Amino acid sequence: EAQVTQNPRYLITVTGKKLTVTCSQNMNHEYMSWYRQDPGLGLRQIYYSMNVEVTDKGDVPEGYKVSRKEKRNFPLILESPSPNQTSLYFCASKPRGRGGEQYFGPGTRLTVT
Amino acid sequence: AQSVTQLGSHVSVSEGALVLLRCNYSSSVPPYLFWYVQYPNQGLQLLLKYTSAATLVKGINGFEAEFKKSETSFHLTKPSAHMSDAAEYFCAVSDSNYQLIWGAGTKLIIKP
Repeated sequence: EAQVTQNPRYLITVTGKKLTVTCSQNMNHEYMSWYRQDPGLGLRQIYYSMNVEVTDKGDVPEGYKVSRKEKRNFPLILESPSPNQTSLYFCASKPRGRGGEQYFGPGTRLTVT
Repeated sequence: AQSVTQLGSHVSVSEGALVLLRCNYSSSVPPYLFWYVQYPNQGLQLLLKYTSAATLVKGINGFEAEFKKSETSFHLTKPSAHMSDAAEYFCAVSDSNYQLIWGAGTKLIIKP
């Protein structure tokens, strides 16, 4: 089944404790992206990647890191999480081209205390 | 630069009534437009998309949208609302760099 998977789905952590949220897709998509979703603010892009070893900042990259060493994986790293990073995070992937739809993972709900 | 405006953060309709969710865009290139739906506690899934073919696009679950270039609009409609349509709906436009520019979302509330 074509899908984007994220792990963990739920995470409660403390300020400053490094964490990684994994994202994997099995559709051979070139493009991958991370978003955060907060009430009243819609979807905001954190980072995206147009292909392996190519990553770019989105609208809200501060406090986050990503890497794209393999086509299928695009982990999101929070080196020193803070309470303002408490949010719902989505990973997405899409094929090359403007008309291709984005496929979303199920989301990771992160709480930083 | 591309942008998307969704009119109304919340829209409430009665079950069986017409659903109309508004989306206006601006784009410096011929637009590709998308509607996504997010059910409670789930990720986003594609409802329908416009990619320069037919201006009336049919999607899943009885939804459709009409691309109107003169009005720069891509409004989403469904003739008869069902309780299961309660969700948040997002409109998006694809920019020239393959990125999606997102609207702020509209929560659809269905009254019994």
